[in-house]
Amino acid sequence: GDSVTQMEGPVTLSEEAFLTINCTYTATGYPSLFWYVQYPGEGLQLLLKATKADDKGSNKGFEATYRKETTSFHLEKGSVQVSDSAVYFCALSDSPSGGYQKVTFGTGTKLQVIP
Amino acid sequence: EAQVTQNPRYLITVTGKKLTVTCSQNMNHEYMSWYRQDPGLGLRQIYYSMNVEVTDKGDVPEGYKVSRKEKRNFPLILESPSPNQTSLYFCASSLQGYENQPQHFGDGTRLSIL
Repeated sequence: GDSVTQMEGPVTLSEEAFLTINCTYTATGYPSLFWYVQYPGEGLQLLLKATKADDKGSNKGFEATYRKETTSFHLEKGSVQVSDSAVYFCALSDSPSGGYQKVTFGTGTKLQVIP
Repeated sequence: EAQVTQNPRYLITVTGKKLTVTCSQNMNHEYMSWYRQDPGLGLRQIYYSMNVEVTDKGDVPEGYKVSRKEKRNFPLILESPSPNQTSLYFCASSLQGYENQPQHFGDGTRLSIL
């Protein structure tokens, strides 16, 4: 079945540092890929998405490119802020039998940004 | 405001006492789903629903029931809760359930079963 593997955290960075959170996937079909962010005490929110190979999703300074050849969707940000501290989830969405959506999440990576 | 609302947000209860966690969305979404979040395991799908009166099992359905009598509501029922169901639960909804549609999540319900 489908699976998503993310780098384990926690990741601790100083403010303005460069961020990379690795995500690789396995899927039988042609999935859409997502990054969600979870702030303390809240549900997950969509951060960005890409629906086909070579698409780049971007939002709030975060970027991720759908790489089919390496089955990866790494999250990057050039300069993190304290307010980016949260848990980040990589996810894929597939329609294994057509007509319904199956979403598979990674285990999440906690990011802590210190001033 | 578009939202998914779960209640209660927190609940401590005892083994065997039936409980229901409600979920309601105001976005007219067809697809709704329940997840549980556990440390080191990420989010795992419990049940999902493609539309009214259409539900199916996710990856970890044992010990849970759901119903979808109305489009906006998707309650999660624990008939006889056990300590291994202590977890953080999220309800989510999306448009039509197609693969490129993002999920909209509620703020979560933290259940503790003693």
